[in-house]
Amino acid sequence: DTGVSQNPRHKITKRGQNVTFRCDPISEHNRLYWYRQTLGQGPEFLTYFQNEAQLEKSRLLSDRFSAERPKGSFSTLEIQRTEQGDSAMYLCASSLGGQRGFFGQGTRLTVV
Amino acid sequence: GESVGLHLPTLSVQEGDNSIINCAYSNSASDYFIWYKQESGKGPQFIIDIRSNMDKRQGQRVTVLLNKTVKHLSLQIAATQPGDSAVYFCAENAGANSKLTFGKGITLSVRP
Repeated sequence: DTGVSQNPRHKITKRGQNVTFRCDPISEHNRLYWYRQTLGQGPEFLTYFQNEAQLEKSRLLSDRFSAERPKGSFSTLEIQRTEQGDSAMYLCASSLGGQRGFFGQGTRLTVV
Repeated sequence: GESVGLHLPTLSVQEGDNSIINCAYSNSASDYFIWYKQESGKGPQFIIDIRSNMDKRQGQRVTVLLNKTVKHLSLQIAATQPGDSAVYFCAENAGANSKLTFGKGITLSVRP
């Protein structure tokens, strides 16, 4: 499978715990995006990278959230001290230069 | 402010009929638009895109129409099939930052 891969697919965590998600983009795609989606809503932009540089962060990305793409390939999204409001689907997308993003299957986070 | 929205939350069509899904956007600077399809538990899947220098683009069984005068986008699906049942999102992009802004989504339900 050469599409965008996200792991894990599901994560249940207790409030206050830290979680980390991984995204492996399509090979050679230089842009990688993170979105968050709650039930019945469209994906909301969180942040994006061009190669290893993080070029934009949404105001939704509080200080508890951090994303990295250390070698310009895979990316991680970490949420510290999780809150119930963090429960959502976290989507990763990648693209080659242009604006068409190919999405992964997402990581569904449930904070209990 | 920037917003992308869909007029109807649900659309029910008979199998074999044509479907039309409408979307309004408010950012006149948007120059790129995409339609995505999302099935339950999966990430958004690219359907078709259009740039602002065009007013119509056709794909396989799908057509996207763009009316910049009234900031309106529509997706037409010909001969709707049960496999077309999903949530559809329109998304817009304004400028080089490559961030896509999504609407809330509309559910398409195909009656057999």
